[in-house]
Amino acid sequence: AQSVTQLGSHVSVSEGALVLLRCNYSSSVPPYLFWYVQYPNQGLQLLLKYTSAATLVKGINGFEAEFKKSETSFHLTKPSAHMSDAAEYFCAVRSNFGNEKLTFGTGTRLTIIP
Amino acid sequence: GAGVSQTPSNKVTEKGKYVELRCDPISGHTALYWYRQSLGQGPEFLIYFQGTGAADDSGLPNDRFFAVRPEGSVSTLKIQRTERGDSAVYLCASSRGVAGAKDTQYFGPGTRLTVL
Repeated sequence: AQSVTQLGSHVSVSEGALVLLRCNYSSSVPPYLFWYVQYPNQGLQLLLKYTSAATLVKGINGFEAEFKKSETSFHLTKPSAHMSDAAEYFCAVRSNFGNEKLTFGTGTRLTIIP
Repeated sequence: GAGVSQTPSNKVTEKGKYVELRCDPISGHTALYWYRQSLGQGPEFLIYFQGTGAADDSGLPNDRFFAVRPEGSVSTLKIQRTERGDSAVYLCASSRGVAGAKDTQYFGPGTRLTVL
């Protein structure tokens, strides 16, 4: 069985500060890992994904994440927060054995303080 | 259309009623997924179609829930005898259906179902 744990249901950072959203995964097989963002009243949008190529993955809007097998982590970072980054962020895991379901974490709501 | 669309955007119904939620996937996408997102939670998988057939329906909570995709494009999620606990946002996603890393799921805006 696969699962992800997102530490911190709410994170607040000042505009211009570093954003760090934590995600740890559990998987019996090498996984694919994803970060999605959800703006109010909108669907989920893919930020980035890890697919066993490079361990440091760059995504849209200046976000990146690093896959660390030894720590079973896939934390999301952005060097400088913008007001437009305020949203809910979800980490998800999927088996690498084909077109299968995504298993999501419970989400982290990011608030940007002006 | 450019993205996944879902109708209606909001549905309010009374306990015990029947509801249908529709999903139009991205044109050409053979894989279609339904998820349910309860308040304060991440999306939870319900069912996955590859073409017309349900490849994995392990997430359907009980036999009141059923989904179809008769022509391999549009899908309908059907809920019978709705209960207050069914209130949630129902999300649909589609993907190209190719094996491996290239397959990305694209999500629709969801249908917010409220059961009174």
